[in-house]
Amino acid sequence: NAGVTQTPKFQVLKTGQSMTLQCAQDMNHEYMSWYRQDPGMGLRLIHYSVGAGITDQGEVPNGYNVSRSTTEDFPLRLLSAAPSQTSVYFCASSYSLVGSRGPSGANVLTFGAGSRLTVL
Amino acid sequence: AQKVTQAQTEISVVEKEDVTLDCVYETRDTTYYLFWYKQPPSGELVFLIRRNSFDEQNEISGRYSWNFQKSTSSFNFTITASQVVDSAVYFCALKASGTYKYIFGTGTRLKVLA
Repeated sequence: NAGVTQTPKFQVLKTGQSMTLQCAQDMNHEYMSWYRQDPGMGLRLIHYSVGAGITDQGEVPNGYNVSRSTTEDFPLRLLSAAPSQTSVYFCASSYSLVGSRGPSGANVLTFGAGSRLTVL
Repeated sequence: AQKVTQAQTEISVVEKEDVTLDCVYETRDTTYYLFWYKQPPSGELVFLIRRNSFDEQNEISGRYSWNFQKSTSSFNFTITASQVVDSAVYFCALKASGTYKYIFGTGTRLKVLA
């Protein structure tokens, strides 16, 4: 099994350019999420999805868009890159967290290898 | 609101020393889950342990042990007889039952010197 696959591993952008970070998982995980990792800031949640067609914002969503058209894929889009978006990005997934009355449980997150993005 | 505090930014120890990494959390939920992840120099994030709020039993796995104390909202991680391979950044994380969000601390960089 490939697990969680992120592409590209490295990317350099100029300010104002757009790009998409790809995330795919083959574990039939309903829950997927994006984090950014910055020195001294730890891992901060950007967006998450509890299933196909359902997304929501995390702690630092500004400047990023997501969509979830399939269970397997959860791309992260930067519409107009800024130097402040220079970071290492991680995609993570887990089995479903949706219970009969809302959030339920906390499955282990499986992380991708990360994508290092530099915005000049 | 949920919050995880890892006050130790960086710790250096000499091989074979014991070391404890601190994690303090905040949540209003009575049901919640705590995690520790390891990020070695290669960069990947590796799951170490999950603990739910109803289970305060300490856990030991080889040289690793975890001390969960609800009274002080802490979930500390101890490495006994540290080794160079333990050098990594360690993250503590929290997920409360009423949210879909996993919140991570800022991490503690552990350097084990030979």
